[in-house]
Amino acid sequence: NAGVMQNPRHLVRRRGQEARLRCSPMKGHSHVYWYRQLPEEGLKFMVYLQKENIIDESGMPKERFSAEFPKEGPSILRIQQVVRGDSAAYFCASSSDTRSYEQYFGPGTRLTVT
Amino acid sequence: TQLLEQSPQFLSIQEGENLTVYCNSSSVFSSLQWYRQEPGEGPVLLVTVVTGGEVKKLKRLTFQFGDARKDSSLHITAAQPGDTGLYLCAGAGGSARQLTFGSGTQLTVLP
Repeated sequence: NAGVMQNPRHLVRRRGQEARLRCSPMKGHSHVYWYRQLPEEGLKFMVYLQKENIIDESGMPKERFSAEFPKEGPSILRIQQVVRGDSAAYFCASSSDTRSYEQYFGPGTRLTVT
Repeated sequence: TQLLEQSPQFLSIQEGENLTVYCNSSSVFSSLQWYRQEPGEGPVLLVTVVTGGEVKKLKRLTFQFGDARKDSSLHITAAQPGDTGLYLCAGAGGSARQLTFGSGTQLTVLP
């Protein structure tokens, strides 16, 4: 499967716990983007990363949220001390250097905070 | 802040009918993408348009980018139940790579 991989597909956390969402980009893609889709709302950009660098985090909440894309391994979106309002679908997308405007999405991680 | 407005929000039609979905903005986009999303899945890229006035066809789907690169349309000919889904337009502006998404059009094609 050469598509964007995300895991887990579903994640349940109690308030105050940490959530870690993983994303492996499409083969040959070095640009990763995270988006959030809240219930009854559209997709909103959170952060854009390249290997070992955060390029644009203008859509990321200032507190409790962080993202990384290490030299080896998947990109990680980390949410600390989750609250009920963090319940949403989190999507990862990737693009290549040559066609950076074409972003391919993974299946998403559905986070439920109880 | 760039905004994309999609219309209509909901569309229910009979199999065989034609339909058009619109995506409008007051901002100029360097490229515009159309996606289709099924429940519980991620958006699937249908097409990318980058040149003002560009028209692309994908079987029964025709996509058009406005001359000023501020708007786009998706036209489906002879819709089929398999076309049912959420259609999203998304634009990228200038050097920014982030996509701005429209609110989506939920299409239902009845057999």
